[in-house]
Amino acid sequence: ETAVFQTPNYHVTQVGNEVSFNCKQTLGHDTMYWYKQDSKKLLKIMFSYNNKQLIVNETVPRRFSPQSSDKAHLNLRIKSVEPEDSAVYLCASSPGQGANTEVFFGKGTRLTVV
Amino acid sequence: AQKVTQTQTSISVMEKTTVTMDCVYETQDSSYFLFWYKQTASGEIVFLIRQDSYKKENATVGHYSLNFQKPKSSIGLIITATQIEDSAVYFCAMRDDSGYNKLTFGKGTVLLVSP
Repeated sequence: ETAVFQTPNYHVTQVGNEVSFNCKQTLGHDTMYWYKQDSKKLLKIMFSYNNKQLIVNETVPRRFSPQSSDKAHLNLRIKSVEPEDSAVYLCASSPGQGANTEVFFGKGTRLTVV
Repeated sequence: AQKVTQTQTSISVMEKTTVTMDCVYETQDSSYFLFWYKQTASGEIVFLIRQDSYKKENATVGHYSLNFQKPKSSIGLIITATQIEDSAVYFCAMRDDSGYNKLTFGKGTVLLVSP
């Protein structure tokens, strides 16, 4: 059973709306991530947090904003969604910042913007 | 900048055979780590196996093994005795020692195992 939990599983919304996705990990990891997987299955990192501190912020539109209340939670808010935001958003975690550490993924949130 | 390339879009094999999936990478760093992940039909992404760049021995976990050819910047995944449930999308990924935790993925290879 996966230990990175994401809600919701699916979300359909209209252009211009605001959406929020939640992620919680119960692995005791220090580092969490958001990845975006597009329709061609390409996986790209969006954000990385270590102990609630933003470490990586890739070139994503400013309407995307991550929020971390503690090291076990990393939420993602999208203000004013656009059609190109339709994708699967994957939350992940790893034990630390070491490059050799494995990354554990949640099952993803599929966003459809109509 | 890191780059990971998987040239095989899809592979079809018969059950119980051996399959090799290719992956080449680019990095400026002398120390880096290579990973293979599997994404099942349900969308779940699962870690399979890792190779550390400084290790000469090929990593092996269960029926997964790696063919690490450092001079060619190549890290192939070998699955022996394939099973129907091995059907999935396989992603090659790498991360360097910059400390920024960025895992760079290839585009994936679809594996279909038939009975």
